[in-house]
Amino acid sequence: AQKVTQAQTEISVVEKEDVTLDCVYETRDTTYYLFWYKQPPSGELVFLIRRNSFDEQNEISGRYSWNFQKSTSSFNFTITASQVVDSAVYFCALSDPNTGGFKTIFGAGTRLFVKA
Amino acid sequence: EAGVAQSPRYKIIEKRQSVAFWCNPISGHATLYWYQQILGQGPKLLIQFQNNGVVDDSQLPKDRFSAERLKGVDSTLKIQPAKLEDSAVYLCASSLDRTPNYGYTFGSGTRLTVV
Repeated sequence: AQKVTQAQTEISVVEKEDVTLDCVYETRDTTYYLFWYKQPPSGELVFLIRRNSFDEQNEISGRYSWNFQKSTSSFNFTITASQVVDSAVYFCALSDPNTGGFKTIFGAGTRLFVKA
Repeated sequence: EAGVAQSPRYKIIEKRQSVAFWCNPISGHATLYWYQQILGQGPKLLIQFQNNGVVDDSQLPKDRFSAERLKGVDSTLKIQPAKLEDSAVYLCASSLDRTPNYGYTFGSGTRLTVV
């Protein structure tokens, strides 16, 4: 069975601190996709990144970076020099291409508070 | 490009009443999803459409929930009769196709409160 675990329910940091959001996944498939989404207070989930299981390169996009490690089944997300606008709920998700519809399973989310 | 449109934004109903939600995906997006997000949890897929056909409805409580996507464009999700545990945000999302290559674009959701 597939599962996504985000052990951190809430994280609170002060602006300009770095923060890492953890994501651990379980799957028996060798081919899969991992995602991070941001859900600001407006409620709309915003797509941040997609990674497939064959690409373990870490990625950096501005203040955001992602560390994918198949050996530990983790796909962690780091925000460098956090800002108040980063306050949101962040979801990690896993997609299985072996179901016809690439069914996507979301973790429970991590709520990030960034204080000024 | 216009985003995924959903209406209404909020709905309060009594248990055993019926309710319907509407979604208009991004133009040209063949795949449409309805997700249920209970407070404090991640979204859970209810149903996935590819054009006007159902790809996955394994987690849709079919005794009370129904969904359709006539003409392969906009979609409606209905609950009849509603239960207290149906209180949640109902999110609609669309993607260009059913591969995850492009991620999903989500609407702002409909917050349903059943009292």
